[in-house]
Amino acid sequence: DTAVSQTPKYLVTQMGNDKSIKCEQNLGHDTMYWYKQDSKKFLKIMFSYNNKELIINETVPNRFSPKSPDKAHLNLHINSLELGDSAVYFCASSQGSARGSGYTFGSGTRLTVV
Amino acid sequence: GDSVTQMEGPVTLSEEAFLTINCTYTATGYPSLFWYVQYPGEGLQLLLKATKADDKGSNKGFEATYRKETTSFHLEKGSVQVSDSAVYFCALSGGDKIIFGKGTRLHILP
Repeated sequence: DTAVSQTPKYLVTQMGNDKSIKCEQNLGHDTMYWYKQDSKKFLKIMFSYNNKELIINETVPNRFSPKSPDKAHLNLHINSLELGDSAVYFCASSQGSARGSGYTFGSGTRLTVV
Repeated sequence: GDSVTQMEGPVTLSEEAFLTINCTYTATGYPSLFWYVQYPGEGLQLLLKATKADDKGSNKGFEATYRKETTSFHLEKGSVQVSDSAVYFCALSGGDKIIFGKGTRLHILP
């Protein structure tokens, strides 16, 4: 009964392909996030949804498109994958503002584009 | 904009040594401050937090005090163990997102 689960854990794909990463949380949280962690461990926020509504959309190529079918799910679709998209992608959730409670993170999806 | 600066690693210590990882922040208003830990191959876990000035967060022998006057939130532990080897992230949140420092890798030698 993992709190925030991501699938797949590993994803190896060729340049130009389209892929999706799924995230589900069973904590009843109302806000979900996608972060990208590069090879130097730097974490950068990409998107945030609150009750299925997009509230944060950082400077991310429009090849990346988040989708939230309900408040327990936030998926990330990536079109036309590039070598520079290789990273670990983390999903996270929080109840209300991140300021109060912090995040609960998933275990990450390691994406390798070859 | 808001930012977090933490000491660069890696930090290598012997078991039972005293640990300090420095963290300073820049923020408008009064953010909450956090330390997260990432073990190899895993996601980040919240280690401790503090939501207002002079608060002390503590967990698993780690502690950090929210110092508004020095805009700092240094992580300390009195006696580290091999199992503490991980990457530690200082972070802040003023509202709708968390901003992370670049992480400090900690190696503990037996």
